[in-house]
Amino acid sequence: TQLLEQSPQFLSIQEGENLTVYCNSSSVFSSLQWYRQEPGEGPVLLVTVVTGGEVKKLKRLTFQFGDARKDSSLHITAAQPGDTGLYLCAGPSGSNTGKLIFGQGTTLQVKP
Amino acid sequence: DARVTQTPRHKVTEMGQEVTMRCQPILGHNTVFWYRQTMMQGLELLAYFRNRAPLDDSGMPKDRFSAEMPDATLATLKIQPSEPRDSAVYFCARGTFGWNGGYTFGSGTRLTVV
Repeated sequence: TQLLEQSPQFLSIQEGENLTVYCNSSSVFSSLQWYRQEPGEGPVLLVTVVTGGEVKKLKRLTFQFGDARKDSSLHITAAQPGDTGLYLCAGPSGSNTGKLIFGQGTTLQVKP
Repeated sequence: DARVTQTPRHKVTEMGQEVTMRCQPILGHNTVFWYRQTMMQGLELLAYFRNRAPLDDSGMPKDRFSAEMPDATLATLKIQPSEPRDSAVYFCARGTFGWNGGYTFGSGTRLTVV
């Protein structure tokens, strides 16, 4: 059974600090996605990483896919209160089904 | 990319009552997913469709839950009878066949069964 484990589960930091969130699995994934979910809303796709070792940047967010395609990380530089939310990683379940499995998420709180 | 609208946004109902949640627009060629989110379990896949045909509903308690696509732009999830343990946020999501395009989620229906 494919599982995605995220750590930490909860993170509370001050504005301006840096942080890293991890997504790990014992299974190889063809790609991984990161979503951010704000209270009262559905998750919104941030990025998809598809190549082992790939690094993608989205403003202050840096996403990396592990060389073995079993893990991914999200690094936020100089966090802002607007970054507050639930960060979810997701990966395809099965072959060519379009079905995704999600990690439990990391709840990030950035205090002004 | 068109938004996905879910209705109602909030629903409080008594145990035993029927609940119907709606999700639109859904384009005929897309894949539609129903997820349930709770603090304890996170996002759980209940069912998904492609081209209006159910592909997998193994995540759903079939004795009380049913998912359908009455037409090409509407997906519904029905619970009958509802139970307190069904209290959760229910999301539908639209995906593309080439899944790297990611999902577009609705804003969810927060269901409370008392």
